[in-house]
Amino acid sequence: DADVTQTPRNRITKTGKRIMLECSQTKGHDRMYWYRQDPGLGLRLIYYSFDVKDINKGEISDGYSVSRQAQAKFSLSLESAIPNQTALYFCATSDRRDAYRETQYFGPGTRLLVL
Amino acid sequence: LAKTTQPISMDSYEGQEVNITCSHNNIATNDYITWYQQFPSQGPRFIIQGYKTKVTNEVASLFIPADRKSSTLSLPRVSLSDTAVYYCLVGGTSGGYNKLIFGAGTRLAVHP
Repeated sequence: DADVTQTPRNRITKTGKRIMLECSQTKGHDRMYWYRQDPGLGLRLIYYSFDVKDINKGEISDGYSVSRQAQAKFSLSLESAIPNQTALYFCATSDRRDAYRETQYFGPGTRLLVL
Repeated sequence: LAKTTQPISMDSYEGQEVNITCSHNNIATNDYITWYQQFPSQGPRFIIQGYKTKVTNEVASLFIPADRKSSTLSLPRVSLSDTAVYYCLVGGTSGGYNKLIFGAGTRLAVHP
């Protein structure tokens, strides 16, 4: 979805380095998410945010942190990258029409390689 | 959390109708059922969403029986470009908690 952008699209880094992945959206959604996907597997939720001042851990938050700088921006940081964090990372926003129904819109992904 | 079960993979041929069934035995009363499509190295894309009976849009139909313990995504007359992974999700976010879980999905291969 072109309304959700991620930078960079590809990144190679070394073990121990700190890196940041950025996500921006123009959809006006309050809710934003970070997922990772490993080859052949589904998406796993890292962190999510329902509003600018709201941050929640997902199922695999260890080794990651996030910052919700504005409604439109949600950044994911790897404080000290390790090789098993090599994966495809997706940002998403959601259109929540009621408590039980929402649709997520995904960015193009960031491919991260940790050497 | 409502767990879903889908076939790991399916094969079809161009022009055929494909039906992918998802089981969700512990679906909650207010949960919706949503299907996403994912192409390699791209983010998932919303296909269709429903609560009960049948929903149809320009790309697919979703059949949900009365007990809502399963759902079937139907893709009419598939083409090679429908080769992708299809995810079935149940629920949403309520009470500040995210219930959406992407499993491994169903890998559909469409052959000429």
